[in-house]
Amino acid sequence: EIVLTQSPATLSVSPGERATLSCRASQSVSSNVAWFQQKPGQAPRLLIYGASTRATGTPARFSGSGSGTEFTLTISSLQSEDFAVYCCQQYNNWSTFGQGTKVEIK
Amino acid sequence: EVQLLESGGGLVQPGGSLRLSCAASGFTFSSYAMSWVRQAPGKGLEWVSSISGSGATTYYADSVKGRFTISRDNSKKTLYLQTNSLRAEDTAVYYCAKAFSSSGSFFLQDYWGQGTLVTVSS
Repeated sequence: EIVLTQSPATLSVSPGERATLSCRASQSVSSNVAWFQQKPGQAPRLLIYGASTRATGTPARFSGSGSGTEFTLTISSLQSEDFAVYCCQQYNNWSTFGQGTKVEIK
Repeated sequence: EVQLLESGGGLVQPGGSLRLSCAASGFTFSSYAMSWVRQAPGKGLEWVSSISGSGATTYYADSVKGRFTISRDNSKKTLYLQTNSLRAEDTAVYYCAKAFSSSGSFFLQDYWGQGTLVTVSS
């Protein structure tokens, strides 16, 4: 099973600042990584797939990068609605998810 | 508009069974693989099972293999998950999710339902 490790577990950021989230895979997953946003009591929302392609409706302030084993989600200027948990997923070899990074208001 | 509505969750004793359902609308159901993904309280997401659009191909996580069965009825646009021999560690919100592409990976999902809670406890 491919293990995804996200860091940090919690990220404290002020509105308007940049947030950088990391996802590391235990073995290469090519570019088959997605990022999801999840708010309390809600279903996950697909933000990024193919490591760097924004899903329909994803604001341009969200960007993804990486390939192989190292991936990054960047939120260029945090808005109030962006404070949530972000989770990466690999779908190269079946599917596994990272444990999530909580982005909270500083 | 894509809509996925899960039902069938509830409180069940260890060793018991539940059948979860997911009613789909807003897309050509039979063209898309579907999946179940669960989330234990306060924990991350865990992929459980996926099924092809025709229903001919299925995949299961090792943690549920032999106990859970995924199926679908394309005439009713409904996805199912039969859960047997339930354990405390199966306690979670169970989400159904639609594959992103009709021709791509089974395991990348775009639309998710709101989930149904399964609690396994005596």
